[in-house]
Amino acid sequence: NAGVTQTPKFRVLKTGQSMTLLCAQDMNHEYMYWYRQDPGMGLRLIHYSVGEGTTAKGEVPDGYNVSRLKKQNFLLGLESAAPSQTSVYFCASRPHRDYTDTQYFGPGTRLTVL
Amino acid sequence: LAKTTQPISMDSYEGQEVNITCSHNNIATNDYITWYQQFPSQGPRFIIQGYKTKVTNEVASLFIPADRKSSTLSLPRVSLSDTAVYYCLLRGYSTLTFGKGTMLLVSP
Repeated sequence: NAGVTQTPKFRVLKTGQSMTLLCAQDMNHEYMYWYRQDPGMGLRLIHYSVGEGTTAKGEVPDGYNVSRLKKQNFLLGLESAAPSQTSVYFCASRPHRDYTDTQYFGPGTRLTVL
Repeated sequence: LAKTTQPISMDSYEGQEVNITCSHNNIATNDYITWYQQFPSQGPRFIIQGYKTKVTNEVASLFIPADRKSSTLSLPRVSLSDTAVYYCLLRGYSTLTFGKGTMLLVSP
């Protein structure tokens, strides 16, 4: 199993450009998450999904959109990138089991917006 | 969501036992206490989770007193490779809330 993979690993955008980050997991997990991590900070939840076709807002959803058309994929979109969105983005997934949780994280995508 | 408070940083030497304490005064009845480890340029990795008393696995132990208002992650005989950021989290049903974590530096 590859686990959780993220594409791309690095990206540089200009202000106003758009892009989509792809997260894929091959563990048949129901739940998927997108986080951002800024220097010296912990991770902040952007959006998450509890199943195919469903999404929900996290702590910092503004400026981002997500889609979960297939169970194994969770896409994070930036419609009009801003310098404040320069960050490292982590995707995670976990199976649906009551009161047990191990989130499996991907390697991260380092995004710079100029 | 209930918040957690943990030291910003800790220093240790190889071979020592390290205890990182986390405070969570407003923990809810259905919250589980979860610890993650993060190395530079990597995503966090699950270490251990517990609800009450003591939990032990091959990596660490987690001590939780009866009132559950705090918890202590214990790493036995740390090595240089244990240098990382350690996050204490309260797990609600669907989501996790990460704080800034504790930066553990292990020296020779």
